Amino acid sequence: QLQLQESGPGLVKPSETLSLTCTVSGGSISSSSHYWAWIRQPPGKGLEWIGSIYYSGNTYYNSPFKSRVTISVDTSKNQFSVKVSSVTAADTAVYYCTRTGSYLVIDSWGQGTLVIVSS
Amino acid sequence: QSALTQPPSASGSPGQSVTISCTGSSSDVGGYNHVSWYQQHPGKAPKLMIYEVSQRPSGVPDRFSGSKSGNTASLTVSGLQAEDEAEYYCISYAGGNNYVFGTGTRVTVL
Repeated sequence: QLQLQESGPGLVKPSETLSLTCTVSGGSISSSSHYWAWIRQPPGKGLEWIGSIYYSGNTYYNSPFKSRVTISVDTSKNQFSVKVSSVTAADTAVYYCTRTGSYLVIDSWGQGTLVIVSS
Repeated sequence: QSALTQPPSASGSPGQSVTISCTGSSSDVGGYNHVSWYQQHPGKAPKLMIYEVSQRPSGVPDRFSGSKSGNTASLTVSGLQAEDEAEYYCISYAGGNNYVFGTGTRVTVL
C-alpha cells in the first residue's frame, strides 16, 4: 500500500526558506501514471495547491507561488521536495504531500505536517 | 483565479440526503469535466470521494454521487450516516495547468 510521509522543520523564521521532503514507500515515484504534488491548508482554512512534479522533473506551479517555490524529485531516494522562500506568517499551514493522477485527482495523501512561521 | 463557491454549511438527519454545490465559471467547472470532491474529517488528510464529475473510486460507498450542470458541480450524499459528518471540498481544472479549489462545506448530521 502506498504511503507518503512528510518531513522537515516544524518552525521556520520569517524571511527564511521552508523546506519539506516527502518520502514515498510502497510504490515507485517513477510511475508514468502519476504526478506528485504539494497541497497546504492554513489553520482553519481551505486547501491550496502549491505545485506538482512528474518523475522526469517537469514541474507545474500554482501562479501565486511561482516566484518563490521550487519542487524537485529524487528518484533514487523515492522522494520529492518543496522549498518556499521568503516565508511570512501567511505561510503557516499544514503541508501535505500527495500523489495525483491527471487533472489533480489526488488519490493518496501524506498525514500532513504543520509548519509554523514565527520568530 | 477566484475560488469556487461552496455553501459554508449543510445538514441533514440520518438517512436523509444532502447536496453540496460548487459554483465556478465557464473557465473552470463549466468548461471541463474535471471536477473532484474530497472529504476531510477534523485533523485528518482529505480523501477522494468523486473524480471526473461523477466517477467514484473503489471503496467509496455508492451513497456518494456527483453531477454537473452548467457552471455548478454538485455532490450528493444519500442515506446520511454519522461518519459522513465532515468538511467537503471541490477542485476543478481551469485550463493551462491551473486548478481552482472550493471554499469548503461543513456537513453536519443532525
